[in-house]
Amino acid sequence: NAGVTQTPKFQVLKTGQSMTLQCAQDMNHEYMSWYRQDPGMGLRLIHYSVGAGITDQGEVPNGYNVSRSTTEDFPLRLLSAAPSQTSVYFCASSSVRLASTDTQYFGPGTRLTVL
Amino acid sequence: EDKVVQSPLSLVVHEGDTVTLNCSYEVTNFRSLLWYKQEKKAPTFLFMLTSSGIEKKSGRLSSILDKKELFSILNITATQTGDSAVYLCAGGGTSYGKLTFGQGTILTVHP
Repeated sequence: NAGVTQTPKFQVLKTGQSMTLQCAQDMNHEYMSWYRQDPGMGLRLIHYSVGAGITDQGEVPNGYNVSRSTTEDFPLRLLSAAPSQTSVYFCASSSVRLASTDTQYFGPGTRLTVL
Repeated sequence: EDKVVQSPLSLVVHEGDTVTLNCSYEVTNFRSLLWYKQEKKAPTFLFMLTSSGIEKKSGRLSSILDKKELFSILNITATQTGDSAVYLCAGGGTSYGKLTFGQGTILTVHP
């Protein structure tokens, strides 16, 4: 199993550009989440999904869109990038079928810089 | 709004010292408290606690939860330079798949 994979690893955008951060998991996990990590701020939840076709907002959803058309994939879209979105982005997944349902498994992260 | 607060924010110790990291939480319909270790990459899972007063242990690391006082501690004994990392605490509550993280504690262990 590859676990949780994210692409790209690094990305530089100009203000106003759009892009999609990809996230995929091969563990058949129902739950998937996107976090951003900024210095001194821990991890902040952007959006999450409890299954295909179901998404909900987290703590900092503005400027980001998500969709979940399959169990495996959970892409994060930046419609018009802003310098405030410069951050490291982590995707995570977990499963209701596991005894420790809340244990989330993280992808390697995407470092995004918006100029 | 759910809230998780960690202290201290940073800590510098020498090898062999024992450290205690603190995590307090206010999480609606609290279900679990998780600890992660992050070393310049993705967080890796350490412990999940759901029951008060029951210690979880893995080698030199241990953790305990107090659901009455709404806090958890992570202890590391006989620290090593490899323990240098950011330690993150997170609370799970109303919605599955949604965790609220604290700011993290940066632990630096000098030889």
